[in-house]
Amino acid sequence: KNEVEQSPQNLTAQEGEFITINCSYSVGISALHWLQQHPGGGIVSLFMLSSGKKKHGRLIATINIQEKHSSLHITASHPRDSAVYICAAENSGGSNYKLTFGKGTLLTVNP
Amino acid sequence: DTEVTQTPKHLVMGMTNKKSLKCEQHMGHRAMYWYKQKAKKPPELMFVYSYEKLSINESVPSRFSPECPNSSLLNLHLHALQPEDSALYLCASSQVLRAKVYNEQFFGPGTRLTVL
Repeated sequence: KNEVEQSPQNLTAQEGEFITINCSYSVGISALHWLQQHPGGGIVSLFMLSSGKKKHGRLIATINIQEKHSSLHITASHPRDSAVYICAAENSGGSNYKLTFGKGTLLTVNP
Repeated sequence: DTEVTQTPKHLVMGMTNKKSLKCEQHMGHRAMYWYKQKAKKPPELMFVYSYEKLSINESVPSRFSPECPNSSLLNLHLHALQPEDSALYLCASSQVLRAKVYNEQFFGPGTRLTVL
């Protein structure tokens, strides 16, 4: 069982819809990362958070440490948001170099 | 400058070739990483350099040889690769590599490697 689970695996939305991607983890973490990867492309770091909520433009990330759960929300989705969104946990035990990645959520936003 | 650059973007090589991948950052980061990513899979950590010294080798075959000639540059030398080594190779950097201090990793665009 992967220590970081994402849902859904695939998500199709219409332009303008509100999107939620969920991430659950079973390890103790020092931080949780949300990453974006366009098809065939490199990875962009969207958020790194250890508590509460962060907002950047139309993107919002929240984390509940007690429940070991994080969500990424996209408001007013747009076709250019189509990408794979990856949740990655930074373990709190020992060295923090290793990110444990979820399998990713493929988001397709149709015009 | 918050960018990690990688060259080349695409590389096709035969199993007997020797080639190198390059990664560069000018953010003053002292930790640099190599990841390998197969299609539709999350990245897998290969190597971590901290202050130009190899800190982590995730049991990577010796046909992959990393090098960190200075704090801004990271190379991955490739020799006698196999077709199954075809993947996207991602470089990343972060401020430091230190326990109990979390570090945002900045990723490069990757090099798409095809081994024939």
